[in-house]
Amino acid sequence: QVQLVQSGAEVKRPGASMKVSCKTSGYPFRTYDIIWVRQAPGQGLEWMGWISPYNDNPSTKYAQRFQGRVAMTTDTSTNTAYLELRSLRSDDTAVYYCARLGFYLDSNGYSFDFWGQGTLVTVSS
Amino acid sequence: QSVLTQPPSVSAAPGQKVTITCSGNSLISGKNYVSWYQHVPGRVPRLIIYDNDKRPSGIADRFSGSKSGTSATLGITGLQTGDEADYYCGTWDSSLSFGGFGGGTKLTVL
Repeated sequence: QVQLVQSGAEVKRPGASMKVSCKTSGYPFRTYDIIWVRQAPGQGLEWMGWISPYNDNPSTKYAQRFQGRVAMTTDTSTNTAYLELRSLRSDDTAVYYCARLGFYLDSNGYSFDFWGQGTLVTVSS
Repeated sequence: QSVLTQPPSVSAAPGQKVTITCSGNSLISGKNYVSWYQHVPGRVPRLIIYDNDKRPSGIADRFSGSKSGTSATLGITGLQTGDEADYYCGTWDSSLSFGGFGGGTKLTVL
């Protein structure tokens, strides 16, 4: 069955970097794109960006507010996606999710059909 | 921050019906499709509607979706206490490789 398993919770100091992993299984990794989403305390879901592992040089697209301090990568040898966020601030405290950009046989569009369990990242001095 | 607009909360009694609206700009017009997610705090978000109005396998037919122009609606009939959750609309624009969500609607079953 399809699974996305994320790395464990982290505590970071302001100005530091975080790197969350999302190990996938149960489907051909290169065939499906991955998105990253975060949820800050008391807030809604926020789309952070997209990565397509189809090619050896993955394509990415980041939400404008994260441009310059975010990087999404993949490792096709381990079927794992990574989210790196640099220059952390206290308002980066959130649960970070990876999700698969999926489609059904009767689909015309895409949806986020499988999700990781979430990784809590706390930024505090 | 949210690219789509939802009411912050809705409520209804068990057995009743509720609708949650999702409005946006060009991101959900035309060929882009809306999906809906149920998120119980502390759990993983779950896809309940895709392609505006289709249900994944295992999702009860009490959940329905529709879209007209730049607005979409999630309907839930026969409300149960287990339906209490935050509900988010979402969309994906393949031409832009860009996605977004509504701000979420908290459903309370009184």
